[in-house]
Amino acid sequence: DGGITQSPKYLFRKEGQNVTLSCEQNLNHDAMYWYRQDPGQGLRLIYYSQIVNDFQKGDIAEGYSVSREKKESFPLTVTSAQKNPTAFYLCASSLGQGDQPQHFGDGTRLSIL
Amino acid sequence: AQSVSQHNHHVILSEAASLELGCNYSYGGTVNLFWYVQYPGQHLQLLLKYFSGDPLVKGIKGFEAEFIKSKFSFNLRKPSVQWSDTAEYFCAVKVGGGYQKVTFGTGTKLQVIP
Repeated sequence: DGGITQSPKYLFRKEGQNVTLSCEQNLNHDAMYWYRQDPGQGLRLIYYSQIVNDFQKGDIAEGYSVSREKKESFPLTVTSAQKNPTAFYLCASSLGQGDQPQHFGDGTRLSIL
Repeated sequence: AQSVSQHNHHVILSEAASLELGCNYSYGGTVNLFWYVQYPGQHLQLLLKYFSGDPLVKGIKGFEAEFIKSKFSFNLRKPSVQWSDTAEYFCAVKVGGGYQKVTFGTGTKLQVIP
């Protein structure tokens, strides 16, 4: 079955450390997204990519970075500059560049040690 | 920038009760509207969407939503809920055409009691 795979499911970060969250899709979708979910705040867009080798900042991009070297992969790096990284991170994809997010991964829960 | 408000954070209903979850957005132009659902232990998934045309939109599992432009609302309804409808529901809005970001509401947790 096609879908989105996020790994790891749980991740712990030490102070001053960068960590990378993986997102892989086998749906042949053009667009991919990263959202952050905090209690009582819904989903907030971090970064999105409409096509390979292109990505744009969302609403809360500070302290995060992404790459889109392959169509199926859209990793998110949480840098040490992100002062409040503890959250649930969701990756999503959509077939076309103008579509709404159609498929979501299981998410990665990031915590600070 | 657009915003989405879901005023009910937690709703508890008995089976067979009728459901209406509120969703209001703030934008005066053309919008696309969505309801997403996340069942326990499952992925977030699209429940229904409104782009244009008939303001009453029907989705999966007997859900429907009505777009009322004058009230900036897109409330989700179901005449008779089942225990299996227990989930978290998110309203979302996209402004205009082409690529524009989708803004999500804070979500409503629905608990259906058998």
